Amino acid sequence: YVLTQPPSVSVAPGKTARITCGGNNFGSRSVHWYQQKPGQAPILVIYYDTDRASRIPERFSGYNSGNTATLIISRVEAGDEADYYCQVWNSGSDHPLFGGGTKLTVL
Amino acid sequence: EVQLVQSGSEVKKPGESLKISCEASGYRFSTYWIGWVRQMPGKGLEWMGIIYPGDSDIRYSPSFQGQVTISADKSINTAYLQWSSLKASDSAMYYCVRRSATSDPFDPWGQGTLVTVSS
Repeated sequence: YVLTQPPSVSVAPGKTARITCGGNNFGSRSVHWYQQKPGQAPILVIYYDTDRASRIPERFSGYNSGNTATLIISRVEAGDEADYYCQVWNSGSDHPLFGGGTKLTVL
Repeated sequence: EVQLVQSGSEVKKPGESLKISCEASGYRFSTYWIGWVRQMPGKGLEWMGIIYPGDSDIRYSPSFQGQVTISADKSINTAYLQWSSLKASDSAMYYCVRRSATSDPFDPWGQGTLVTVSS
């Protein structure tokens, strides 16, 4: 099972960024999203498709439909520049799978 | 506050052994899974394996089975990742992570331990 993310997404400050994560039969799996800023450990931003982690701004949201999950960042700020990873759990094996990561660049 | 604090950076030679640690605080250590994630320089996240300290149930990624050993000591709220014979390709950042139950996310993450293997 493979999770596919675009390698990079660029957005101007104040605009909306959308980062996708795709896989076969995706709709049956819950998706978690992590943010990793340069030189830092990842942190959880969105869990179970849509729930925002503690201390994460309301500008961050997510949804899962069909074969694609999407992380949405509204009113993008320079401080949102980071790598974003999606993650699911392989059903039956209790093994997690990470997407390849998307580098968000704020223009 | 829930925290995972990892041991410091390591520089080792090929063939040497190594054990890095992850000390948990702020919650009941025995009742949450602790996992390990590798990140090679400039690359993405790779899951290595996970342990449930309560009963030492351990699950390895097929990619890392036999290459590393995961363990935990409940008495000191600490999980470990160890190698018996390091290779240059083991050079990476290693993160420990906490998970509540099946399908739950990893939260929080440790600060990371940088392992450098070089002759």
